[in-house]
Amino acid sequence: QQQVKQSPQSLIVQKGGISIINCAYENTAFDYFPWYQQFPGKGPALLIAIRPDVSEKKEGRFTISFNKSAKQFSLHIMDSQPGDSATYFCAATGPNSGYSTLTFGKGTMLLVSP
Amino acid sequence: DSGVTQTPKHLITATGQRVTLRCSPRSGDLSVYWYQQSLDQGLQFLIQYYNGEERAKGNILERFSAQQFPDLHSELNLSSLELGDSALYFCASSTLAGNEQFFGPGTRLTVL
Repeated sequence: QQQVKQSPQSLIVQKGGISIINCAYENTAFDYFPWYQQFPGKGPALLIAIRPDVSEKKEGRFTISFNKSAKQFSLHIMDSQPGDSATYFCAATGPNSGYSTLTFGKGTMLLVSP
Repeated sequence: DSGVTQTPKHLITATGQRVTLRCSPRSGDLSVYWYQQSLDQGLQFLIQYYNGEERAKGNILERFSAQQFPDLHSELNLSSLELGDSALYFCASSTLAGNEQFFGPGTRLTVL
């Protein structure tokens, strides 16, 4: 059972464009939603995270939008740059696991063309 | 560089064999997590240790086991290896259970 569904699988965006990656979750006990960025040959690294008490969180060019009623959240990358080309994973966790167990989406491979 | 180290970087072995993957957490981190990353299953949580004790278990096969030693480094043991065990194995660490997890560079396991 896939508890976090992520789309699209891959995405090509022109430099300067907006990249949008969507995730949907099933478990209503989840209340912490991080996004990870992974470059080839490296481990995932935390990019930005949100809790459901806010509908949006922005850090630089990266924004998370959260819709609690729809159980959906998305990552927006504004002014996308070639250096943003990487695989992005959404994840979810909650108090049931002491925020220890991260359930990941299957990832989105983003390519930003120059 | 996350500060988490994993060895070896690559491992090639045969079906039926046993291997040990090693992880050294960031200095001061008490919690260690193991993940498996494959193309079809994505990133899957296997197991977590906190200060030497098993804290949480995910989709870890019975052929797999792990432990965390007094110096806080951890080892993941994979036995009776099958072709389907070929994957990237990541270790992550955090200061306390539930805090931000920092991932190591991974060990790529190939079972032939």
